[in-house]
Amino acid sequence: QKEVEQNSGPLSVPEGAIASLNCTYSDRGSQSFFWYRQYSGKSPELIMFIYSNGDKEDGRFTAQLNKASQYVSLLIRDSQPSDSATYLCAVPHSGSARQLTFGSGTQLTVLP
Amino acid sequence: GAGVSQSPSNKVTEKGKDVELRCDPISGHTALYWYRQSLGQGLEFLIYFQGNSAPDKSGLPSDRFSAERTGGSVSTLTIQRTQQEDSAVYLCASTGTSADTQYFGPGTRLTVL
Repeated sequence: QKEVEQNSGPLSVPEGAIASLNCTYSDRGSQSFFWYRQYSGKSPELIMFIYSNGDKEDGRFTAQLNKASQYVSLLIRDSQPSDSATYLCAVPHSGSARQLTFGSGTQLTVLP
Repeated sequence: GAGVSQSPSNKVTEKGKDVELRCDPISGHTALYWYRQSLGQGLEFLIYFQGNSAPDKSGLPSDRFSAERTGGSVSTLTIQRTQQEDSAVYLCASTGTSADTQYFGPGTRLTVL
């Protein structure tokens, strides 16, 4: 099993809808979780991180963490075409807390 | 500088040649990471530097790959005898006081012909 798994997509949603991106991880000891957004041809940029079970909201973005089920999700409300990008989930590496292991990313397209 | 910078932005080389890729981290950041991203793939960890500690080289795919970080700042990733499968975008990231939040540079797109 890969350390971090994401559905590769592509995921298409209409403008204004909620986009739901999911990520599962294998290391039960993981304490922190990160969502990066990567536009085509650009480098990843951090959009959210979450440490505690439950929800964390930041503007239109909500990260949800369920450590018992080992998944973390990202919800994007009122999706905009500018949200079209690949979303990468990252979890500290099981062997070194200072490394991040990235999922392969989910490609999101928001249709106008 | 304001962010992580990398050079060159693009590099085209012939199979068998050596290449050097440069990364300037954000000033004051003590940790520096190199990743590789092949087309349509996620990020593959290569190497990690933290201060003056010995680097974590566990992600380097072969002994053709090496990296150094001089003076705790600038880092150079060297690929010797390049192969076509080395073609990818090489990304550098650094972290500061928030130990886990990595800030990425724009990457170097390497094409090996």
